[in-house]
Amino acid sequence: GAVVSQHPSRVICKSGTSVKIECRSLDFQATTMFWYRQFPKQSLMLMATSNEGSKATYEQGVEKDKFLINHASLTLSTLTVTSAHPEDSSFYICSARGGGAGETQYFGPGTRLLVL
Amino acid sequence: QKEVEQNSGPLSVPEGAIASLNCTYSDRVSQSFFWYRQYSGKSPELIMSIYSNGDKEDGRFTAQLNKASQYVSLLIRDSQPSDSATYLCAVYNSGTYKYIFGTGTRLKVLA
Repeated sequence: GAVVSQHPSRVICKSGTSVKIECRSLDFQATTMFWYRQFPKQSLMLMATSNEGSKATYEQGVEKDKFLINHASLTLSTLTVTSAHPEDSSFYICSARGGGAGETQYFGPGTRLLVL
Repeated sequence: QKEVEQNSGPLSVPEGAIASLNCTYSDRVSQSFFWYRQYSGKSPELIMSIYSNGDKEDGRFTAQLNKASQYVSLLIRDSQPSDSATYLCAVYNSGTYKYIFGTGTRLKVLA
């Protein structure tokens, strides 16, 4: 299967700082990348969908000015959590899709964020 | 009604048995169906995708799709303790262009 990496795998930061998470497709070109958040014992929650070279589409209730997404190339998307607060602590997971609509998403290993 | 429904479990099966995981979806325009496995603290990993009615087999896993009944299932033969995880059903909705995930079924394979 296709390989998606995420960096960092774990980050601890102070409240008020910004954190950038990178998502890379290593062996395929990702036309679309997705960003999810998962709280303990809960299901995946889609935050936004990004297409290379376009602005991300955010889900209802997700603040686009707080969660900045950039999909600058076909292999890289970044999520920046700006002015992080303790309630932003969560497991952030990206996924990438190489083909057209309805094709398989491949998930990255996730980034665990803890905001103190 | 949720768009994608799964029994949260836990579903407990003895080692060596067949585990049967079920998923129903509400929107008939759904085209693509996926099963992912998620171990605790890890991200989901793809087990199988299925697009056409019928069965699709891959090793110990068989996915079954019935679009008329809006039902997709995953069978795990010869279940192993290492299969213990949460299994997520995902459906691509071609009307909304979104992948919808179920809440997952927790499977426990007892040694």
